[in-house]
Amino acid sequence: TQLLEQSPQFLSIQEGENLTVYCNSSSVFSSLQWYRQEPGEGPVLLVTVVTGGEVKKLKRLTFQFGDARKDSSLHITAAQPGDTGLYLCAGVRSNYQLIWGAGTKLIIKP
Amino acid sequence: EAGVTQSPTHLIKTRGQQATLRCSPISGHTSVYWYQQALGLGLQFLLWYDEGEERNRGNFPPRFSGRQFPNYSSELNVNALELEDSALYLCASSTDRASPLHFGNGTRLTVT
Repeated sequence: TQLLEQSPQFLSIQEGENLTVYCNSSSVFSSLQWYRQEPGEGPVLLVTVVTGGEVKKLKRLTFQFGDARKDSSLHITAAQPGDTGLYLCAGVRSNYQLIWGAGTKLIIKP
Repeated sequence: EAGVTQSPTHLIKTRGQQATLRCSPISGHTSVYWYQQALGLGLQFLLWYDEGEERNRGNFPPRFSGRQFPNYSSELNVNALELEDSALYLCASSTDRASPLHFGNGTRLTVT
């Protein structure tokens, strides 16, 4: 059972375009983490959102946690080739267990 | 600070053999996690070790096992290798279960 649905699975867009990645669940999470993984490397934590409705910005990346803490989105403005990678969301349960999304493979074409 | 290190970076085995993967956590981190990543997509949780004890394991057969040493480094052993075991195996460490994970760059296991 996939408890954290991540979409889209794959996205290829031109440099300068905007995009949004979604993670949705029927379960409530204590917090939600977003990671980026580049080829040949392990995932690197980008941000953790904790409070329902919370919005965090990291340069051109905007992360939002749903009011009910069941879903989250990552929005990238004016995507750059350096944004290319695999984006992973992970919901944190109350017992600290991580529930991972299946990942979004993002390619930004120059 | 040195990050999580994994060895070897690549490992090629034949079906039926055994593989041993190694992980050194960040200094001061006592928790080590192992994940399997197939097809370059999502992570499947394998094992969690903390303070030398196995604390949790994912939905994998018993031929996947491991241990954590007194210095908090860890080994993942995969016995009776099958073709489907070909994947990137990632190790992560953290200071405690509530802290974010720090990942190594993985061991690419290929079973032929």
